[in-house]
Amino acid sequence: AQSVTQLDSQVPVFEEAPVELRCNYSSSVSVYLFWYVQYPNQGLQLLLKYLSGSTLVKGINGFEAEFNKSQTSFHLRKPSVHISDTAEYFCAVGGNKFYFGSGTKLNVKP
Amino acid sequence: NAGVTQTPKFQVLKTGQSMTLQCAQDMNHNSMYWYRQDPGMGLRLIYYSASEGTTDKGEVPNGYNVSRLNKREFSLRLESAAPSQTSVYFCASSERERETDTQYFGPGTRLTVL
Repeated sequence: AQSVTQLDSQVPVFEEAPVELRCNYSSSVSVYLFWYVQYPNQGLQLLLKYLSGSTLVKGINGFEAEFNKSQTSFHLRKPSVHISDTAEYFCAVGGNKFYFGSGTKLNVKP
Repeated sequence: NAGVTQTPKFQVLKTGQSMTLQCAQDMNHNSMYWYRQDPGMGLRLIYYSASEGTTDKGEVPNGYNVSRLNKREFSLRLESAAPSQTSVYFCASSERERETDTQYFGPGTRLTVL
């Protein structure tokens, strides 16, 4: 069985500050991890994904995530956020099926 | 190249009414999916179609039916709508039904059942 837990439902942050969005997973099979972003009134789009290899994955818009097998985590980070990063972010795990977390709303304030 | 398109964008139904949500993709993908999104619950898979001619239940299939009309189109039908089906519905597609494949999403249909 697989599941994903996003620990924070909302994260407020000021513009140009760093941010980390947390994601923990559980899986009894091979792990493939994804971060998707949903801008207001739009569908989801892929930010980045981890399939294998280097545990540090770089995605679009300056985001990166690190796969940590021992802590079963896949946290998303950005060193300096912009107003345009305001959106909802979903962690997902692929295995037998595809499961999404409950989402984290990132609110970037000026 | 429109990607994944969904119609309608908004719909209001009365309890007991039926309707079909339409989805089409122009990326020649084999696999298509229907999700519902509810506040605080993320996305939950309703049905999926691994390839043309096949459909399978997801996590929350009760009250829904699907049709994979051809490779491009995958529709979701509510036979007798209930207030619990008020949600935002997303269609997605991927090249294959593999756990490593990126899913591409449509803009969503916001459904309210009164």
